[in-house]
Amino acid sequence: GAGVSQSPSNKVTEKGKDVELRCDPISGHTALYWYRQSLGQGLEFLIYFQGNSAPDKSGLPSDRFSAERTGGSVSTLTIQRTQQEDSAVYLCASSLAPRDMGNQPQHFGDGTRLSIL
Amino acid sequence: QKEVEQDPGPLSVPEGAIVSLNCTYSNSAFQYFMWYRQYSRKGPELLMYTYSSGNKEDGRFTAQVDKSSKYISLFIRDSQPSDSATYLCAMRLNTGFQKLVFGTGTRLLVSP
Repeated sequence: GAGVSQSPSNKVTEKGKDVELRCDPISGHTALYWYRQSLGQGLEFLIYFQGNSAPDKSGLPSDRFSAERTGGSVSTLTIQRTQQEDSAVYLCASSLAPRDMGNQPQHFGDGTRLSIL
Repeated sequence: QKEVEQDPGPLSVPEGAIVSLNCTYSNSAFQYFMWYRQYSRKGPELLMYTYSSGNKEDGRFTAQVDKSSKYISLFIRDSQPSDSATYLCAMRLNTGFQKLVFGTGTRLLVSP
């Protein structure tokens, strides 16, 4: 597709279960980002990938959160032993490779709405 | 205190009004400033970005950055009902740091 694709669009699960969220970036975009948007909060940065490596994972809130990217394309965000405070919209964005000067716009998908019961 | 502060609104205006949306920030090292528009249940869409201080105009939209005051603005002229959305400001440091720091967003309602 032309844009960033995320799946599932909605996920409801019980507390304590593990969940996997998927992001398929725009073709040719080597940079990929995960953000979280909670009710009444702005977007919080979680992790940044350049290719398959993650030079910045400073936003991951706990060791229950992990992410990987394979083949320089699809990324998966995994949340283990989910808690109710994990309920949020998880947004993925992608961009062309960052460069020394100028801004490479981040293009967002529509997110996965995660609800923990 | 959050790094980026933004009034959540809602801001209600009649069609045709000029809208002013604002953010303040605390980190003087921010260099790139962006405005995103987010419709309900959709991802944010980039409207405009500005590097350092100054103004930038694109159609009905004008972005202003005042780094001395740590204050950024987005003006929308001749507002339309289709402009009704949440507007998020975002900013980031220099090229070595790619993460965006967002405000909480201002909900705008333009009535016909």
